[in-house]
Amino acid sequence: DIQMTQSPSSLSASVGDRVTITCRASQGISNYLAWFQQKPGKVPNLLIYAASTLQSGVPSRFSGSGSGTDFTLTISSLQPEDVATYYCQKYNSAPYTFGQGTKLEIK
Amino acid sequence: EVQLVESGGGLVQPGGSLRLSCAASGFTFRSYAMSWVRQAPGKGLEWVSVFTDNGGGAKYSDSVRGRFTVSSDNSKNTLYLQMNSLRAEDTAVYYCAKLYGGYARYWGQGTLVTVSS
Repeated sequence: DIQMTQSPSSLSASVGDRVTITCRASQGISNYLAWFQQKPGKVPNLLIYAASTLQSGVPSRFSGSGSGTDFTLTISSLQPEDVATYYCQKYNSAPYTFGQGTKLEIK
Repeated sequence: EVQLVESGGGLVQPGGSLRLSCAASGFTFRSYAMSWVRQAPGKGLEWVSVFTDNGGGAKYSDSVRGRFTVSSDNSKNTLYLQMNSLRAEDTAVYYCAKLYGGYARYWGQGTLVTVSS
C-alpha cells in the first residue's frame, strides 16, 4: 500500500508568515490528493482537492501544488483562525490513506 | 443542503459488536460513494472503508478487514458500518463522509465508539 508522509509533524509560526506543509506519497498518485483542516473539537473540513483546486468558500490564502509523489499546502499569510491540524489524503485508489497530520500553532 | 448524521455509537466490551448508521439527506444517496473515517482520541484521521453502490462494493483498511462490513439501504438513504470482534484499538470517533470523485466533500458530526471492559 502507498504510504503518505507529512512534514513537519508540528509547526509554530507568526501571524502573517508564509507556511508550507509537505506531503509525500511512497508511490505516484498523479494529482489524487486532498488537504483537510481540522480545528480542535471540530469535524475535518476540505480545503483542496485534485492537489491544487481550492474548495469553494476556502480563503484564497490557502493553495496546493504538486503531482506524482510530492505535494505542498501553502498558507500565504497565516491568520489566527488557521490554528488547526492539517491532513493530506490520497484518493486514487483504496486504501485512501491519510498523512499523519501537521499541527499548526501560532507563535 | 447535504446532511450526514451518524448514530449507534456507545460503550461495548472487547469482542462485542456494534452497528453504526449514517443517515443522509440533501442528495441522491445511491449516486455517490461514501466512506467511513475514524479518529482515535488525540490521534489522526484513519480511513476505514469506501462503499459504492454501483457494483464497486466495499473496500476496507487492513486494520478492519474481516471484522467490519459496510452496507446501505437506499430506501432509507442510510449507510451502515457493522463492527464485529471489536478491540480496544477500535475506540474512536467514527465519521461518515460523502465522496466526490474519491475525496470527502461532506462529513457527518461523528459518533463515538468506546471499546472497554
